[in-house]
Amino acid sequence: AQSVTQLDSHVSVSEGTPVLLRCNYSSSYSPSLFWYVQHPNKGLQLLLKYTSAATLVKGINGFEAEFKKSETSFHLTKPSAHMSDAAEYFCVVSPQDTGRRALTFGSGTRLQVQP
Amino acid sequence: GAGVSQSPSNKVTEKGKDVELRCDPISGHTALYWYRQSLGQGLEFLIYFQGNSAPDKSGLPSDRFSAERTGGSVSTLTIQRTQQEDSAVYLCASSTPGQPYEQYFGPGTRLTVT
Repeated sequence: AQSVTQLDSHVSVSEGTPVLLRCNYSSSYSPSLFWYVQHPNKGLQLLLKYTSAATLVKGINGFEAEFKKSETSFHLTKPSAHMSDAAEYFCVVSPQDTGRRALTFGSGTRLQVQP
Repeated sequence: GAGVSQSPSNKVTEKGKDVELRCDPISGHTALYWYRQSLGQGLEFLIYFQGNSAPDKSGLPSDRFSAERTGGSVSTLTIQRTQQEDSAVYLCASSTPGQPYEQYFGPGTRLTVT
């Protein structure tokens, strides 16, 4: 079965410095991978997705992620953090069985941005 | 265009009462999903609809939980005889046939069982 591990439950950065949110996945197939963001008291918003095309994926708000099969990683990065980036971020993997639709979510990483 | 909408945004109910949560997906999205987000369990899949049928109900935690979808659009999640452990945020999502894993989420319904 597929699984996803977010290596940090909390990350704190200063405004203007780079962001790195780490995600490792486990699967016996080639999954689709996603990052979602959830701002306080808001719904989940899709940031970006990897679906076996380019390994470097660009998303909204300046975020990008690189799929590294050899490391089974899909880390999320941003060159310069903004105060509005403070939120919870979820790494997500698609199911192995293509007949199923249930996404598997990581436990989340809370990003704090200090002024 | 309009996103996924859910109502109510907040619901407080007494233990043992039944509750209904509503989801209105994005127009044209044939697939609809219910997830639950709770402190202890994170984000968990509950049920998936394709049109009005539910090919995957594997995430429903007990027979107190049921869901239906009518007209290929609005869905209702019903929890009977609510328990305190049902307290959570219930999220609805929808997707198009061509992109089943690109799911668009609503703002959720926060359920508190007292």
